[in-house]
Amino acid sequence: QQQVKQSPQSLIVQKGGISIINCAYENTAFDYFPWYQQFPGKGPALLIAIRPDVSEKKEGRFTISFNKSAKQFSLHIMDSQPGDSATYFCAARVGGANNLFFGTGTRLTVIP
Amino acid sequence: DGGITQSPKYLFRKEGQNVTLSCEQNLNHDAMYWYRQDPGQGLRLIYYSQIVNDFQKGDIAEGYSVSREKKESFPLTVTSAQKNPTAFYLCASSILGGAGNEQFFGPGTRLTVL
Repeated sequence: QQQVKQSPQSLIVQKGGISIINCAYENTAFDYFPWYQQFPGKGPALLIAIRPDVSEKKEGRFTISFNKSAKQFSLHIMDSQPGDSATYFCAARVGGANNLFFGTGTRLTVIP
Repeated sequence: DGGITQSPKYLFRKEGQNVTLSCEQNLNHDAMYWYRQDPGQGLRLIYYSQIVNDFQKGDIAEGYSVSREKKESFPLTVTSAQKNPTAFYLCASSILGGAGNEQFFGPGTRLTVL
């Protein structure tokens, strides 16, 4: 059973456009929601993360929007660039634990 | 230069053979993890360890074994009991607890069964 559901599986965006990736969860014990970026043949790297006590977090062109009541969170990439082409994973962690539950990933392609 | 190293980068195995994947970290992290990555399935947890000489099964531990004899090292053995071992294997480490508890990943090992 997938604890964190991620969509879409793949996404193609024009350069300069907005990329939006969505994730949903059911476990209300989750208290930490990171997003990881992975380039082909490499390990994932933390991009940005949020806790449920805030509704939005922005770092440069990357923004997480968090809707606690709907149990959904999303990653927005503004002014998408070809260098953003990668696979993005959302994840969630139960409070007090160390393990992360990952979504299935979204392969983003930004067309020049 | 701190980080996580995995070796080898590529590994080929014949059916029926056990193979061991190496993972070393110099970040002084207590927790270490092994994930398996398959296309369209995300990262699935195989084993994790929070302290030397102790480890717990993750979601897909069958056919795998680990050891944690040193804080810096967490090798994964893929045994012949693993029915479909061809995959990309990722090792990660983190501090225990903490506000962010970011997991740092190694570059991965791609295992192919011939």
